[in-house]
Amino acid sequence: LAKTTQPISMDSYEGQEVNITCSHNNIATNDYITWYQQFPSQGPRFIIQGYKTKVTNEVASLFIPADRKSSTLSLPRVSLSDTAVYYCLVALGSGNTGKLIFGQGTTLQVKP
Amino acid sequence: GAVVSQHPSRVICKSGTSVKIECRSLDFQATTMFWYRQFPKQSLMLMATSNEGSKATYEQGVEKDKFLINHASLTLSTLTVTSAHPEDSSFYICSAPSLVSHEQYFGPGTRLTVT
Repeated sequence: LAKTTQPISMDSYEGQEVNITCSHNNIATNDYITWYQQFPSQGPRFIIQGYKTKVTNEVASLFIPADRKSSTLSLPRVSLSDTAVYYCLVALGSGNTGKLIFGQGTTLQVKP
Repeated sequence: GAVVSQHPSRVICKSGTSVKIECRSLDFQATTMFWYRQFPKQSLMLMATSNEGSKATYEQGVEKDKFLINHASLTLSTLTVTSAHPEDSSFYICSAPSLVSHEQYFGPGTRLTVT
């Protein structure tokens, strides 16, 4: 399973765009990149998933360069409620065992 | 979207007793479920893979005789913490993989406090 590296913490202000980058140098061909959000005392919540290039949904965008050795989660115009821990995970695609190994995550603090 | 539930949401037990935590997939079948443990200010640590109809697969360092996992149906996995001690106090989270994407659905977690 590919190991991921993220900044431990980030600070932002309401209304700003936040970009969190994750390194996954050992990503395999079949691996997908998935980001989860976790609030205190809650289970992680799926944010977005991608394989290559750019993916966008109603809450975030995910940018993946051609070599796929990193990815960037972009949160547009954050609010106080976006304060949470964000995890970047890499897991197998085809033949997916579903097994996820969590890294340390990035604690995002949004200030007023 | 698919939902995974856990019961109870929080439990307090005395040292030496056993506690059972349930994980249910509410609107989909899950032949595989996963159990995680999370200590305060730390990340999730995978404990074991629960397999419907067969034995669970435990991660290195996790005592299988202490953390009993049973996956008796396609929608239910249980984790029993046997002879609990204060150091077992933690936040236990289960998950189940989606059948149509590479997403994992996580339960809300169970807060275990052993006194």
